[in-house]
Amino acid sequence: AQSVTQPDIHITVSEGASLELRCNYSYGATPYLFWYVQSPGQGLQLLLKYFSGDTLVQGIKGFEAEFKRSQSSFNLRKPSVHWSDAAEYFCAVAFTGGGNKLTFGTGTQLKVEL
Amino acid sequence: GAVVSQHPSRVICKSGTSVKIECRSLDFQATTMFWYRQFPKQSLMLMATSNEGSKATYEQGVEKDKFLINHASLTLSTLTVTSAHPEDSSFYICSARPSGGTGELFFGEGSRLTVL
Repeated sequence: AQSVTQPDIHITVSEGASLELRCNYSYGATPYLFWYVQSPGQGLQLLLKYFSGDTLVQGIKGFEAEFKRSQSSFNLRKPSVHWSDAAEYFCAVAFTGGGNKLTFGTGTQLKVEL
Repeated sequence: GAVVSQHPSRVICKSGTSVKIECRSLDFQATTMFWYRQFPKQSLMLMATSNEGSKATYEQGVEKDKFLINHASLTLSTLTVTSAHPEDSSFYICSARPSGGTGELFFGEGSRLTVL
């Protein structure tokens, strides 16, 4: 069965430092890949998505992610983190023929130290 | 961008009562909406797919008689938690996919249900 893994439950970085959040998926073909951010008590906001084409995807708020087929990964990166980036980040995948049903990873809680 | 609104954002009810949560697409039509449940510090679990004008499709392990879903129009889906119990307390989030769009999903703000 397909699955999504976010190995890091919590990550703490200093403001201004670079950030990388890991995401790995298990599936036989190329899925559709997403990163969402959730602030406390809020819904989800889409940061970026990958469907096909260029494997380096640019998103909102200065985030980017790179799809690496050989590693089945879609890691999220940001060169310089801001205090307002503190939130929960979810990687999600939708699989071909899955009718847009998203499978979410367990999330990574990002804390930013000032 | 497309906006999805949920109401109420917070609800507290007594055990045994039923609670209805609404999910509305404010500026687009959605033939398909999805309902998720999120436990504290955990990920979102898909509960069911709501299809306008037809029965919802429930994920394995989700009681359809417990979580009633109605998608009566292209802009509204409702989730009713029947005979709620404390274990039903959770954060419920809906998402909607614009009809004829790119397939991107838009999420509501979520509804926090607390059953006493």
